[in-house]
Amino acid sequence: QVQLVQSGAEVKKPGASVKVSCKASGYTFTSYGISWVRQAPGQGLEWMGWISAYNGNTNYAQKLQGRVTMTTDTSTSTAYMELRSLRSDDTAVYYCTREHLFDYWGQGTLVTVSS
Amino acid sequence: SYELTQPPSVSVSPGQTARITCSGDALPKKYAYWYQQKSGQAPVLVIYEDSKRPSGIPERFSGSSSGTMATLTISGAQVEDEADYYCYSTDSSGNHRGVFGGGTKLTVL
Repeated sequence: QVQLVQSGAEVKKPGASVKVSCKASGYTFTSYGISWVRQAPGQGLEWMGWISAYNGNTNYAQKLQGRVTMTTDTSTSTAYMELRSLRSDDTAVYYCTREHLFDYWGQGTLVTVSS
Repeated sequence: SYELTQPPSVSVSPGQTARITCSGDALPKKYAYWYQQKSGQAPVLVIYEDSKRPSGIPERFSGSSSGTMATLTISGAQVEDEADYYCYSTDSSGNHRGVFGGGTKLTVL
């Protein structure tokens, strides 16, 4: 069965970076892209960007350009999302989800940014 | 930037039909997708490509799209359908960037 398993919760100080992982299983990793979606406490879903697991092409949300980098490691079927220069409003649950239907989701990773 | 607009809340009694709308300028050219999210859980796909239902999703969930509006319809809503619902699509500018609607809280009581 298809599974996306994410890394554990993180607490970071403002200005730091965080890197969240998403390990895929149960399907051919390179046949689907991965999108990242975040949800601030009590707020809605926000699309952060997409990476092709086939060739590494990326497409980021305009508001995160320059602060976010998405990568994949096909040898371990793992996708990564790194967010830099963290601010308090980056506090959120971060999800990975399989393109293009978003039919499978990771369990979410809570990232807390606090001094 | 591109936006999708949903009503903040919809309320129905059990057994009634709930309709949740999603408006966006690119919807005539781009598919709409719908996700259900219950408290503390990851979202679940309930409708894709405007009107297709994934396996395992009850038949009472249906979708349609006309012009700049997509609609999620829950026919005979059940108490267990109470959740937040989000529409999703992409812009038509060539950037193919994704966007979610603001979400609609469905109350069934």
